[in-house]
Amino acid sequence: EIVLTQSPATLSLSPGERATLSCRASQSVSSYLAWYQQKPGQAPRLLIYDASNRATGIPARFSGSGSGTDFTLTISSLEPEDFAVYYCQQRSNWPKTFGQGTKLEIK
Amino acid sequence: EVQLVESGGGLVQPGGSLRLSCAASGFTFSSYWMHWVRQAPGKGLVWVSRINSDGSSTSYADSVKGRFTISRDNAKNTLYLQMNSLRAEDTAVYYCARDYISWFDPWGQGTLVTVSS
Repeated sequence: EIVLTQSPATLSLSPGERATLSCRASQSVSSYLAWYQQKPGQAPRLLIYDASNRATGIPARFSGSGSGTDFTLTISSLEPEDFAVYYCQQRSNWPKTFGQGTKLEIK
Repeated sequence: EVQLVESGGGLVQPGGSLRLSCAASGFTFSSYWMHWVRQAPGKGLVWVSRINSDGSSTSYADSVKGRFTISRDNAKNTLYLQMNSLRAEDTAVYYCARDYISWFDPWGQGTLVTVSS
């Protein structure tokens, strides 16, 4: 099973700042990595798939990069609605696995 | 609008059974693989099970294999998860999700399953 490790566990930033979230895989997942956003009491929402493709309706301030074992989700300028928990997920090997999440909180 | 609505969650005793349903609308249900993903209270996301578009192929996480059964009724646009021999560690919000080019998109709002005596 591929283990995904996200860092940091919590990121405290202010609106307007740039956020950089990391996800590291225990073995190569090629570009088969996605990012999801989850707000309290809500279901996760797909943001980025195949490492760098934005899902339908996702604002351009969200971008993804990386391949192999190291990936990054960048939010260029934080909006108030961006404060949430973010999960990475791989589909390279079964079972599909998720990282433990990064909580993005308001500083 | 693509929509997934789960139901069937609730409180059940250890060793008991429960059947979850996921009603799909807004897309051609019979053309898509579907998944169940769960989230224990305050914890992360864990994939549980998947089924192919016609229901002929299924797979499960090791933690639920032999206890849970995924199925679908394409005529009713509904996905199911039959959960038997439930344990305290099965307590979670259960989400159904469509397989979109092998990713999970969208997700339902979830249904809470609590296993406790």
